[in-house]
Amino acid sequence: GESVGLHLPTLSVQEGDNSIINCAYSNSASDYFIWYKQESGKGPQFIIDIRSNMDKRQGQRVTVLLNKTVKHLSLQIAATQPGDSAVYFCAEKGTGTYKYIFGTGTRLKVLA
Amino acid sequence: EAGVTQSPTHLIKTRGQQATLRCSPISGHTSVYWYQQALGLGLQFLLWYDEGEERNRGNFPPRFSGRQFPNYSSELNVNALELEDSALYLCASSFGLTNTGELFFGEGSRLTVL
Repeated sequence: GESVGLHLPTLSVQEGDNSIINCAYSNSASDYFIWYKQESGKGPQFIIDIRSNMDKRQGQRVTVLLNKTVKHLSLQIAATQPGDSAVYFCAEKGTGTYKYIFGTGTRLKVLA
Repeated sequence: EAGVTQSPTHLIKTRGQQATLRCSPISGHTSVYWYQQALGLGLQFLLWYDEGEERNRGNFPPRFSGRQFPNYSSELNVNALELEDSALYLCASSFGLTNTGELFFGEGSRLTVL
């Protein structure tokens, strides 16, 4: 269902390491998935998306993996940098629906 | 091309007052979504407008309302403000009912209720 406003889990990684942020989505009929990055005090920014006919998509330093069997989405960030520190949200949407369902978000902290 | 713009950036009100927040979508977008984000929490869906009509609302009381204008801009009104209404209010836009892509977000309006 929709984000229920829980306090955000935190992932701490060392600068230069790879980060993996996970998301369990709710609707097996969802066919479009998005990752957003939200820096403190700002609006969410689009990072990468993937459609259900793919299981992997790569961007610059980011990779999204989709496992439809277990309804799981992950975001991998290579060589994590201090500027990657933010809250990351996944979102899902079904064809023909208006509704974007957002995950609860994960706070990524990059340690120097 | 201008992104989604929201105003005001910050707004301070006292309990019982009314707040009005405004949003201009990206040119060509007909849908506007409003979300509430309390400090440190996730996005709570408030309202969705498309082509001037309210299409859906989330689990919020009726004192949260809004409208969409013929130019597709939108405003969110919150009446009888309560302390727990303090939050970042995010507006997002998209191409509407046929949209197959992402939502584009504004930077938000920070409402503080004292």
